[in-house]
This record gives sequence, structure tokens and C-alpha cells, in this order.
Amino acid sequence: DVKVTQSSRYLVKRTGEKVFLECVQDMDHENMFWYRQDPGLGLRLIYFSYDVKMKEKGDIPEGYSVSREKKERFSLILESASTNQTSMYLCASVRQGEGNTIYFGEGSWLTVV
Amino acid sequence: GQNIDQPTEMTATEGAIVQINCTYQTSGFNGLFWYQQHAGEAPTFLSYNVLDGLEEKGRFSSFLSRSKGYSYLLLKELQMKDSASYLCAVNPDSWGKFQFGAGTQVVVTP
Repeated sequence: DVKVTQSSRYLVKRTGEKVFLECVQDMDHENMFWYRQDPGLGLRLIYFSYDVKMKEKGDIPEGYSVSREKKERFSLILESASTNQTSMYLCASVRQGEGNTIYFGEGSWLTVV
Repeated sequence: GQNIDQPTEMTATEGAIVQINCTYQTSGFNGLFWYQQHAGEAPTFLSYNVLDGLEEKGRFSSFLSRSKGYSYLLLKELQMKDSASYLCAVNPDSWGKFQFGAGTQVVVTP
């Protein structure tokens, strides 16, 4: 079975803290993505990666960074968390090529207080 | 720019049919996908269209017209468990950088 695993489901962090969200996929997919999902705004792409050590900015990269040291693992980093980063974060992966669907992790609910 | 539009909310009765429309304008097209998302959960894959026409999968069908930039998801014989958000998404290229609509919240009433 296809599996994308996000290590933390629910987190509460203080403003200014550094936050790591980890994601692992077991499908040997090349492409991995981090989205955030907010009511009325849908899914917005933060960063994505096409290969190990490669990363590209999505639509809303400000305040975030990512790391992809291994093919199966893609980490999202909030260097200094702020209250406007309170959201649900979804990791996803896709196999390169045509007609392939995207697979999502279960989501990480982050509250910054 | 890229734009995917779908209605915000639809309400229907158990056993009825609901059609969720989606219009899109994207830089490329490599398939249109529909996902179901229950509250607090991740989106799950429902259907995929890359050629014009209707794809049927049990109670769910999806239609695509590429020339019109239009798709719909048809849910038949609605059940209470179908209450969820339905996301329309376009894969604009072979790299998988999906573009998503904001989702349509379907409420099924008894």
C-alpha cells in the first residue's frame, strides 16, 4: 500500500520557535511537496522537490525552508514560527511521468501561540 | 495565471444526485483529478480524466471537456458518508505540480 507518513499530527508551538515537520514516503517517488491548507483558500504550495538536495519555491515560500537529504524524506522548517503560520500542513508525493496521481500524508495541524 | 474554480458548498438529500462543476485555466494540462477530503483528514483520490468524456466508477462519475476547460464530478445515490469536501485539481505537466481548487463542501441531509 502507498504510504506518506507525517511524523506529527498535532503540534502547539510558541511564536519564535523553530519547527520541523517531517515527511517520509515509501513509494520511491521522485517528487515531494509541502502544502498548507486554510479554510476558503484551499491547498497552497509552499515548496517542492524533484530530487535529493533539490528544492524549488512554490506559491507561498516566505517564512519556510525545506530539506531533502534522502529520496524518501522531505522536511519543512519554520525558522521562527509566527501566528499566521497556524494551519494544516500536508506533505505529498508523486511519481514523475504522465497520469500519476498525488498521494497525501495525513496532515499536521500546527498551532502557533 | 492559473485558476481553478468550483462552488463553495452544495447541499443534497440522501439518495439524490449532486453535480460539482469545476472550470480551470492552467498553463498546461496533463490530467484533471478529483479528490475527496473528510474533515481533519488528507485528500484521497477519486477519479482522473485526461481525455474528453465521462469516466464512471461506481456511484461516482467524472466528465471532462478540455476545449471548454470544464469538468464535473457526479455523485449518485448519495449517502451520509459522502458529506465531505471535494477538490478539483489539474496536473499541468509531467512533474506533478498540481493546482487545486478551494474545494466544494457537500452536505448530505437525511
